[in-house]
Amino acid sequence: RKEVEQDPGPFNVPEGATVAFNCTYSNSASQSFFWYRQDCRKEPKLLMSVYSSGNEDGRFTAQLNRASQYISLLIRDSKLSDSATYLCVVVSNFGNEKLTFGTGTRLTIIP
Amino acid sequence: EPEVTQTPSHQVTQMGQEVILRCVPISNHLYFYWYRQILGQKVEFLVSFYNNEISEKSEIFDDQFSVERPDGSNFTLKIRSTKLEDSAMYFCASSEFEGLAGTNYEQYFGPGTRLTVT
Repeated sequence: RKEVEQDPGPFNVPEGATVAFNCTYSNSASQSFFWYRQDCRKEPKLLMSVYSSGNEDGRFTAQLNRASQYISLLIRDSKLSDSATYLCVVVSNFGNEKLTFGTGTRLTIIP
Repeated sequence: EPEVTQTPSHQVTQMGQEVILRCVPISNHLYFYWYRQILGQKVEFLVSFYNNEISEKSEIFDDQFSVERPDGSNFTLKIRSTKLEDSAMYFCASSEFEGLAGTNYEQYFGPGTRLTVT
């Protein structure tokens, strides 16, 4: 089983729609969880951290379900600028250790 | 806003040659990392570096790879004898670790160096 698994997409979504991405991770001891976004041929950029209580940042909502080892990202009122690849990222250890990336889900917002 | 910088942006080299990829992490950061991304694949961890030594490395980071912080600002990745399969985007990242009490894992990535081995 892959350490971090995501649906690769692509997701083609009309502007203004709501879109949800899911991610599962295999290591039950994982400690920290993130969503990064990556534009074509660019570096990954942190979108948001994911907490057990769930967290929201503007149009973006992230949820973590530790029991199911499942992470989600919801984007409301999608904009053209949201077109990117969304990377689910997990840190397995305490301490500033490696990020383990999923393969990413490609999102294209259609005008 | 402080940022991680990397040079060169693109490096073309012949198989068997040595390459050095350079990074300048954010100045008050303590942890440094190298990742790579082969075209069309996921980002993969190579190595983490703290207090002038490697803290963790992946299976990819074999004897052909080495890292160094030669001065107070630069962080380098050396590949001694490049192979075709080393062709990838190499990202440097840095973070400011606040410890268990205030865990801050946010890693800031540089723009990457595209390495092409011919």
